[in-house]
Amino acid sequence: DGGITQSPKYLFRKEGQNVTLSCEQNLNHDAMYWYRQDPGQGLRLIYYSQIVNDFQKGDIAEGYSVSREKKESFPLTVTSAQKNPTAFYLCASSPGQGNDYNSPLHFGNGTRLTVT
Amino acid sequence: QQQVKQSPQSLIVQKGGISIINCAYENTAFDYFPWYQQFPGKGPALLIAIRPDVSEKKEGRFTISFNKSAKQFSLHIMDSQPGDSATYFCAASISFGNEKLTFGTGTRLTIIP
Repeated sequence: DGGITQSPKYLFRKEGQNVTLSCEQNLNHDAMYWYRQDPGQGLRLIYYSQIVNDFQKGDIAEGYSVSREKKESFPLTVTSAQKNPTAFYLCASSPGQGNDYNSPLHFGNGTRLTVT
Repeated sequence: QQQVKQSPQSLIVQKGGISIINCAYENTAFDYFPWYQQFPGKGPALLIAIRPDVSEKKEGRFTISFNKSAKQFSLHIMDSQPGDSATYFCAASISFGNEKLTFGTGTRLTIIP
């Protein structure tokens, strides 16, 4: 079964600690994305990567970092600089730019991060 | 800056009724308008999408109506079923760029028996 795996489903951290969220895909997609979902605010783009070893900031990148060393993996680190890190984080992928521009985003089932 | 405004925030519809969710946008460069459906604890999934060269697209019980001059588009769910209870997001983007996809704030739909 092809898809996106996000782990863990729930994550708890103390304020001041960095935390890394995992995202793995076996869809052979070039592009990967990280979104943050907060109640009443929809989905907001944090970072995206269209190809291995390259990534770009989205609308709310401050306090986050990413890497894209392998096509299948796009981990997100929530740093202590992120002022409001508690949220539901969604990873997504798509075939990538240059393909059918109607190709949908495929989402994982998310990681709910709670920072206290 | 909210480029896609979605309403209502929540909606309760009786089984068998019609559910209607509305979205409005400002950026006239948008030319791709998808709707995503999200069940609790899951990621969103594409439900249906439309391009502005048509005014309506239907897939089963789901229909998108598009009004280019008014810069509005809406999702209609006919014969709504309890299994349709979910959060629905409209979105808009410019061609060739999922990274340019702007989401609405979501509508939590509840279908009651």
